[in-house]
Amino acid sequence: DTAVSQTPKYLVTQMGNDKSIKCEQNLGHDTMYWYKQDSKKFLKIMFSYNNKELIINETVPNRFSPKSPDKAHLNLHINSLELGDSAVYFCASSQLTSGLTGELFFGEGSRLTVL
Amino acid sequence: KQEVTQIPAALSVPEGENLVLNCSFTDSAIYNLQWFRQDPGKGLTSLLLIQSSQREQTSGRLNASLDKSSGRSTLYIAASQPGDSATYLCAVHTGTASKLTFGTGTRLQVTL
Repeated sequence: DTAVSQTPKYLVTQMGNDKSIKCEQNLGHDTMYWYKQDSKKFLKIMFSYNNKELIINETVPNRFSPKSPDKAHLNLHINSLELGDSAVYFCASSQLTSGLTGELFFGEGSRLTVL
Repeated sequence: KQEVTQIPAALSVPEGENLVLNCSFTDSAIYNLQWFRQDPGKGLTSLLLIQSSQREQTSGRLNASLDKSSGRSTLYIAASQPGDSATYLCAVHTGTASKLTFGTGTRLQVTL
């Protein structure tokens, strides 16, 4: 049973399109994240949700909109895709206890290619 | 602003050698530090989590140490195996507790 699962694993699309990536965790964690890994393999946080509430929102274009329907799911919708959006997007989850996060568990990643 | 650096960027060792990967961070006010491995085209696998109050953690052939005051952590891998070949990333939790700042990674290759 996969702990953090993302779909789709690969996504190839044209500039200007809108696309979504879905993430689900079955670990019972209360916090979920989206990270972006660029072509140089550097990982940077984009968003974090705790119990469906947004708690981290880094400097990310408004074209990126996360949605958390419940604490087990965090989806990422991207409007008007640009070439620079090509990257691997990782979902992760952890449990916050007294405001401190425990171990993070990552999904396998979703590789987005914008042509 | 927290910055995390890992040295070396790449490392190649023969099988059986012991090795040390280094991680340094600029803001010592961390909550914890986590080491991950990433295989090509795959996600991140958590290896060890060290809380800020701890000095080290061990799991099998892996030992991670933390010196918060000097802003350093090391990952020691004993008796390396070809299966250890991967990119190793360290990440620290600072500021907002749930925010994780990643290092640049060390790409390890263990040769036969």
